[in-house]
Amino acid sequence: EADIYQTPRYLVIGTGKKITLECSQTMGHDKMYWYQQDPGMELHLIHYSYGVNSTEKGDLSSESTVSRIRTEHFPLTLESARPSHTSQYLCASSAGQEIDTQYFGPGTRLTVL
Amino acid sequence: QKEVEQNSGPLSVPEGAIASLNCTYSDRGSQSFFWYRQYSGKSPELIMFIYSNGDKEDGRFTAQLNKASQYVSLLIRDSQPSDSATYLCAVIKDTGRRALTFGSGTRLQVQP
Repeated sequence: EADIYQTPRYLVIGTGKKITLECSQTMGHDKMYWYQQDPGMELHLIHYSYGVNSTEKGDLSSESTVSRIRTEHFPLTLESARPSHTSQYLCASSAGQEIDTQYFGPGTRLTVL
Repeated sequence: QKEVEQNSGPLSVPEGAIASLNCTYSDRGSQSFFWYRQYSGKSPELIMFIYSNGDKEDGRFTAQLNKASQYVSLLIRDSQPSDSATYLCAVIKDTGRRALTFGSGTRLQVQP
């Protein structure tokens, strides 16, 4: 069972607001990931990190930014939320071993009005 | 062409039957293959992974991998209504990044 947490679980916010989605894991995993998923659609990788002070953009272009100052913490920030950012955001982590199984947090469902 | 292809379904099977879910991938260098289950509104949960050609069994689930055909499948024996969900196939491509590339999922409905 993976110990990976996301807060808030649900967020409804107005256009132009700055938001930070929190993700933390207690497994000591080096690798962490952010995926975006619209209802009924596939997951798209938007950011990943292989360790502290390491962040990279994923396959799907995103206006969000991430930081990795501590191993266990990988927050995602939107400086100015727009309705097009409405989606589910899923955080995952992996131990970075040969098989590299990823475990997902419960997700944050973001609605921008 | 999508990198990971799945039939969106829904695949409908009666309770107790075998459900067969299929996935093809385009990158011949793909290394590891995963099946996740996702209930509506929830996050994906890992069912099993496979990385060698052949079959791998875990309880009611069997994953099958054929690298020559670039094909991976998941069999669910004795299907239960609680198995009704979307099943996501994911691969790790042969790149340094090693992040998952997901298919769009197959929706399974198990009829009581």
